[in-house]
Amino acid sequence: QKEVEQNSGPLSVPEGAIASLNCTYSDRGSQSFFWYRQYSGKSPELIMFIYSNGDKEDGRFTAQLNKASQYVSLLIRDSQPSDSATYLCAVNMRSGYSTLTFGKGTMLLVSP
Amino acid sequence: DAGVIQSPRHEVTEMGQEVTLRCKPISGHDYLFWYRQTMMRGLELLIYFNNNVPIDDSGMPEDRFSAKMPNASFSTLKIQPSEPRDSAVYFCASSGTGGPTNEKLFFGSGTQLSVL
Repeated sequence: QKEVEQNSGPLSVPEGAIASLNCTYSDRGSQSFFWYRQYSGKSPELIMFIYSNGDKEDGRFTAQLNKASQYVSLLIRDSQPSDSATYLCAVNMRSGYSTLTFGKGTMLLVSP
Repeated sequence: DAGVIQSPRHEVTEMGQEVTLRCKPISGHDYLFWYRQTMMRGLELLIYFNNNVPIDDSGMPEDRFSAKMPNASFSTLKIQPSEPRDSAVYFCASSGTGGPTNEKLFFGSGTQLSVL
């Protein structure tokens, strides 16, 4: 069974701090990795994607990928209360076009 | 662009009734996905289409579930008969083609289904 694992949380951080969200995946052949944000009662929204080992930065968000260790992480700098949401990690576990396997998500709470 | 449009937003029905969920993908997208989300199981892929053709329905839980895509702008997910364990949020998502970026899914607002 190919899996994507995330700590369900909640992860609580104060406003202005760095939030670190982690995800591990079981298929070593996985090719592409995505982070979706889902506000309560809303649909998932893509915020980051990464294909190569290393870091990828977009504004306050940084995605980190380590294929050897089979983990991907999302850092949110200068966390804001508006960042409070559930963050879903999604992995494409096959080369070429395929379908995404989602983790169950980590709830992030940013307190003012 | 209006995004992926789903209807209804909420559906409450009684066990044994037929339920039909509807989806209009983003114009130009040729992949359409149906997902189900519950607290216990998270987001699960039910079925996906490419150019209106069903490609993988291995996630459909049982024969009570069926999905169609008669044209590029419309898809339905039908449950007949419905059961209380079908209660969940059902999302439709679409994506385009053209390299790795075709994996970016755009989700509709979802249908909250409650089967009593």
